[in-house]
Amino acid sequence: DVVLTQTPLSSPVTLGQPASISCRSSQGLVHSDGNTYLSWLQQRPGQPPRLLIYKISNRFSGVPDRFSGSGAGTDFTLKISRVEAEDVGVYYCMQATQWRTFGQGTKLEIK
Amino acid sequence: QVQLQESGPGLVKPSETLSLTCTVSGGSISSSYWSWIRQPPGKGLEWIGYINYRGSTDYNSSLKSRVTISVDTSKNQFSLKVRSVTAADTAVYYCARDPYGSRWGSFDCWGQGTLVTVSS
Repeated sequence: DVVLTQTPLSSPVTLGQPASISCRSSQGLVHSDGNTYLSWLQQRPGQPPRLLIYKISNRFSGVPDRFSGSGAGTDFTLKISRVEAEDVGVYYCMQATQWRTFGQGTKLEIK
Repeated sequence: QVQLQESGPGLVKPSETLSLTCTVSGGSISSSYWSWIRQPPGKGLEWIGYINYRGSTDYNSSLKSRVTISVDTSKNQFSLKVRSVTAADTAVYYCARDPYGSRWGSFDCWGQGTLVTVSS
């Protein structure tokens, strides 16, 4: 099974400052169709997860452009250019190349 | 705009079967694959399995022996059964549109989730 390892598990950030979350996969995530099905989801307190980024770097509909995704192979990153109060929550990377697995989650909180 | 809503008992006794239904509105269940995902209190997300409108399924290998997902296209619903539950099956259960065949390759649409507690 593909294991996704996120770092850090907790990230205290000052409002207006950037934040970065890493996701490392135990295997390469390039599908036989040529796509890399690595995405990022945000879960605000008490809410279901919400898709932010799909196929490494594509913002989903309605997602602010301060969110960006990058990476290739087994290493991927989610960046928030300037953290806002509404960004508080847990962020998960997820792969759908080989079945579906989630990272452990990274809790973003305001300092 | 597709919306999903989970329904079912919030309390199940140990060793019994957990049964949940997800109703798809605003779109046809035949248009996509559909998944169940769960989240134990205070913990991360675990994919359970998916189904399409023809009834083709795939399951997480860790749960495969106890799980069945089925579909009722006439009601635009799909369902989850987990047999022989224990306290470890206590979780919020979500239904979601599966990445398979979707333009996003991810879970783009989620239900609000329903908490199922396993306790006597």
